[in-house]
Amino acid sequence: EAQVTQNPRYLITVTGKKLTVTCSQNMNHEYMSWYRQDPGLGLRQIYYSMNVEVTDKGDVPEGYKVSRKEKRNFPLILESPSPNQTSLYFCASSPRGRGIAGNTIYFGEGSWLTVV
Amino acid sequence: AQTVTQSQPEMSVQEAETVTLSCTYDTSESDYYLFWYKQPPSRQMILVIRQEAYKQQNATENRFSVNFQKAAKSFSLKISDSQLGDAAMYFCAYRSFGGSQGNLIFGKGTKLSVKP
Repeated sequence: EAQVTQNPRYLITVTGKKLTVTCSQNMNHEYMSWYRQDPGLGLRQIYYSMNVEVTDKGDVPEGYKVSRKEKRNFPLILESPSPNQTSLYFCASSPRGRGIAGNTIYFGEGSWLTVV
Repeated sequence: AQTVTQSQPEMSVQEAETVTLSCTYDTSESDYYLFWYKQPPSRQMILVIRQEAYKQQNATENRFSVNFQKAAKSFSLKISDSQLGDAAMYFCAYRSFGGSQGNLIFGKGTKLSVKP
């Protein structure tokens, strides 16, 4: 089954304790992206990746790191989480290129992160 | 940089009536896709409809249709015969195949309520 898997789905952590939210897709997609969703602000992009070893900043990259060492994985790293990073996080993936295949975007189920 | 604007934070419609959600975008690209996503309380991201910019014909999916005005950079979603299950957040999204090579960005969303 084609899917994007995020872990953990729910996490409460403390300020300053490093954490990683994993994202894995089983469809050999080139494109992967991280978003955070906050009330009234919609989905804001954190980082995205067009392929292995190719990453770029989105609109709100501060406080986050990513890596893309393998095609299937795109982890989101919070080196020193702060309460303003409390949010719902989504990972997405898709093929690149035009056509229906290139515009079928798969989303993970979301990760609820609370930093206290 | 491309931007997507949804000017209606909240909308309400009577069951069985028709409602239109607005979306405008800013881009210098000519080759792109536009999407409407539905997010119910489960927070799952569900594709409602998509439109290719080079196609003049407006996309339609059952009760959902769009009014795509490329020159005006407008992409509104019309929901006909509204049902209680249509109540959700709706996000407009843009994906270019020009200089930004496939990055997906979202508007802030419109919360739709359906009154019985």
